[in-house]
Amino acid sequence: QQQVKQSPQSLIVQKGGISIINCAYENTAFDYFPWYQQFPGKGPALLIAIRPDVSEKKEGRFTISFNKSAKQFSLHIMDSQPGDSATYFCAASMQSGSARQLTFGSGTQLTVLP
Amino acid sequence: GAGVSQTPSNKVTEKGKYVELRCDPISGHTALYWYRQSLGQGPEFLIYFQGTGAADDSGLPNDRFFAVRPEGSVSTLKIQRTERGDSAVYLCASSLDRANEQFFGPGTRLTVL
Repeated sequence: QQQVKQSPQSLIVQKGGISIINCAYENTAFDYFPWYQQFPGKGPALLIAIRPDVSEKKEGRFTISFNKSAKQFSLHIMDSQPGDSATYFCAASMQSGSARQLTFGSGTQLTVLP
Repeated sequence: GAGVSQTPSNKVTEKGKYVELRCDPISGHTALYWYRQSLGQGPEFLIYFQGTGAADDSGLPNDRFFAVRPEGSVSTLKIQRTERGDSAVYLCASSLDRANEQFFGPGTRLTVL
């Protein structure tokens, strides 16, 4: 199975609040889990990524929590700002032949109200 | 430095026509990927190049789709006999090698009327 399931589809938070986006995967061969941020008319940009040998990774206001046994991972955005309003995609990757293509979730449209 | 660039940014064509979409990767990046993003969805993998060769084309939906990278830099995605279902944003990404972060271009929005 290659699917990565993402929720919620959309999220509205107040400025200063915490935004939480969840993803679940099925294929235990996945070994790299990035989160991408996409603004309208732009390509996705890497935000933060984690490998399954750690349970948490923090970079500034962004934290990934990873639960290997549950095959779930989540993105937490602390002190959310209006400039964080964008679409967020989780993804998963594994070595497949010579490639390492990304399998993306369906996206979460985040709106941070001022 | 310059990022990944894609041209055209928008392409409108008629059903049955042939289109070419171009990707200029970051200089020195040997790995190049094409993805397709339908409205409201995440990108879906199409094809991967390592250097000049298509190392994995398992994501191409059918034989109307073809991509080349003749000199190991610029890549062109070619779609024959376009169908309305081909309408999407076509994204290109490059990375230093297959193990590293993929940097995405802004995409080409293809509309098939």
